Amino acid sequence: DTAVSQTPKYLVTQMGNDKSIKCEQNLGHDTMYWYKQDSKKFLKIMFSYNNKELIINETVPNRFSPKSPDKAHLNLHINSLELGDSAVYFCASSLKADTMTQFFGPGTRLTVL
Amino acid sequence: SQQGEEDPQALSIQEGENATMNCSYKTSINNLQWYRQNSGRGLVHLILIRSNEREKHSGRLRVTLDTSKKSSSLLITASRAADTASYFCATGPQGGSEKLVFGKGTKLTVNP
Repeated sequence: DTAVSQTPKYLVTQMGNDKSIKCEQNLGHDTMYWYKQDSKKFLKIMFSYNNKELIINETVPNRFSPKSPDKAHLNLHINSLELGDSAVYFCASSLKADTMTQFFGPGTRLTVL
Repeated sequence: SQQGEEDPQALSIQEGENATMNCSYKTSINNLQWYRQNSGRGLVHLILIRSNEREKHSGRLRVTLDTSKKSSSLLITASRAADTASYFCATGPQGGSEKLVFGKGTKLTVNP
C-alpha cells in the first residue's frame, strides 16, 4: 500500500493556467509538507500543515495556496502558472511536527510551457 | 537559507568499493538525517543521528556526526549497483523549528 501518494505524476500546462496537485497519506501522521525540487535537485520546503493548521509558510508567491481538508490530505493549488514554476513538487508527511523522519511521495513533475 | 552542503557533488565508484559522502552545515542542529533519491522517485529516509550522538550504523550504512566541525559523513560499504542514487543530508535546526533543511545532494554512481 502506498504510504504517501500524489496525483498527478506529470502535469504539463500553459502559462497562466491554474492547476492543483493532490496529496494523501495513509500513515496516520499529523504533519504534511510540500517541497519544490528545482532542476539542480535543490529541495526547498514550501509549506507545512500540522493537524490541518498551517505551521510553515516559506517565502512562496501567493499564487501558491495549500489546502488541508483533513490531516490525511494536503493539496497544492497554483494560480497563474509561470515558466519558473516548472519543477518537481514533493509531498511528505511526518508523525509529528518535530523534524524527525519524513516520508515522501513520488513527486509531481510540473512543466509550464 | 541553505543549510547542508554535500561533498562531493558527484561520485563514481565500482561495485564492491566503499562510498563516502560528506555534509557540512552552518547552524546548531537538533538532528541530521540522510535521505536517498533514486532517479525520478521521491526521497527515502535512510538514517537519523541526533546531535548528542557521534556515530550510527544501519546495515551497510555508517553515519558520523561532528558537531564541533558542523559536519557529517555517510559511508556506504561494499556498494552495489542498486545504491546508485542521489544522497541528501537534511538538518533539523535547534530552536523548535519544524522544518528540515536539505543540501543539494551527492549523485552516486556505482558501476557494475
